[in-house]
Amino acid sequence: DTEVTQTPKHLVMGMTNKKSLKCEQHMGHRAMYWYKQKAKKPPELMFVYSYEKLSINESVPSRFSPECPNSSLLNLHLHALQPEDSALYLCASSQDYLAGGMYEQYFGPGTRLTVT
Amino acid sequence: AQKVTQAQTEISVVEKEDVTLDCVYETRDTTYYLFWYKQPPSGELVFLIRRNSFDEQNEISGRYSWNFQKSTSSFNFTITASQVVDSAVYFCALSERKGGSEKLVFGKGTKLTVNP
Repeated sequence: DTEVTQTPKHLVMGMTNKKSLKCEQHMGHRAMYWYKQKAKKPPELMFVYSYEKLSINESVPSRFSPECPNSSLLNLHLHALQPEDSALYLCASSQDYLAGGMYEQYFGPGTRLTVT
Repeated sequence: AQKVTQAQTEISVVEKEDVTLDCVYETRDTTYYLFWYKQPPSGELVFLIRRNSFDEQNEISGRYSWNFQKSTSSFNFTITASQVVDSAVYFCALSERKGGSEKLVFGKGTKLTVNP
């Protein structure tokens, strides 16, 4: 099973709302990732968690707050977003580098976020 | 810093034609990993191949083949006898170490359209 699930599939929120994106995997992967993808652009890394600890934050604004409650779950909490934050948010997981090199990442279907 | 160049922004072919997608990379690392991902219109990134820098053997998987040449820093992808279902954006990616983790550096992608 190489499935990563994400909920919700679509989200529309106002600039004053608080919402959360959820990601789940059951492949035993210990590295999990959040990406943001704008139309016609490659995915842009936001955060990396390794063994449930934040290991990379690509200078993401604090209105995005990641959380990794356990090895299977990854959340992205959203607060006071701007219209320019509208994008496809992708979650991915992989075996961790400590397992021996960089492994392929498996991506979820994404959450299409619209900020009004 | 790592860099991936996919010079072909868009390619259009007729079904059953062979097509090659180019990928050129820059790195100072001696150990690194290269990847290809497919992103169909549905939006989910699909892993196609992972190659480490010590393995220069070409790979074939059905209609897909990959040519890795360290001497020219290239990792090209060929689809033989293309089909309409191959229509997608294809991303080449390179590993980059950051802190205690690894991240992917993506090229800008090549949009392939296969016409019937």
